[in-house]
Amino acid sequence: QQPVQSPQAVILREGEDAVINCSSSKALYSVHWYRQKHGEAPVFLMILLKGGEQKGHEKISASFNEKKQQSSLYLTASQLSYSGTYFCGTGGIGNEKLTFGTGTRLTIIP
Amino acid sequence: NAGVTQTPKFQVLKTGQSMTLQCAQDMNHNSMYWYRQDPGMGLRLIYYSASEGTTDKGEVPNGYNVSRLNKREFSLRLESAAPSQTSVYFCASSPGAGTGVSSPLHFGNGTRLTVT
Repeated sequence: QQPVQSPQAVILREGEDAVINCSSSKALYSVHWYRQKHGEAPVFLMILLKGGEQKGHEKISASFNEKKQQSSLYLTASQLSYSGTYFCGTGGIGNEKLTFGTGTRLTIIP
Repeated sequence: NAGVTQTPKFQVLKTGQSMTLQCAQDMNHNSMYWYRQDPGMGLRLIYYSASEGTTDKGEVPNGYNVSRLNKREFSLRLESAAPSQTSVYFCASSPGAGTGVSSPLHFGNGTRLTVT
């Protein structure tokens, strides 16, 4: 089952904060986050494994709520370079394959 | 350090033609994957190879075959192309041995395939 991402698209001014959510209908072992710029390959941002540990990557961090089967990606003080489509990928318990959401398009304007 | 290399970058096929998409990684990764990306659909797994010598079906395997030639190379073959296979195809690799849930994926730059 494909995870559901929200919002589908968001436009921010440079310096504003954003939150992208990823929800699954099944119990999760892992959540991946990737960013893809137009015409390019997806690039790995971070992975969160079962255990609820929050991860950080410069001004981008993420949380994983196992009970709610949800993850959120936080982008703080957004920069123009943050523009792109963000995908979450979820891995279920029991050797299930990684399944990607349909993406959230983030546009940062000056 | 090239990472994951895919060839060709672009391809146009007529319905019924066959072709092989090539993928090679130089990171000594165990697992390799083929995804297709269509507008509004995200990335969907076609086939994967959890370790050298093994291959397995993903979400959308119909119309495709794969070969894990060695640890570095994983090819995707379309035996009889159909317009529904028009898509962007990404190869990826991962250091872990398995279905890819617990290790980062490293993607190639993609092959843009059009079937007319």
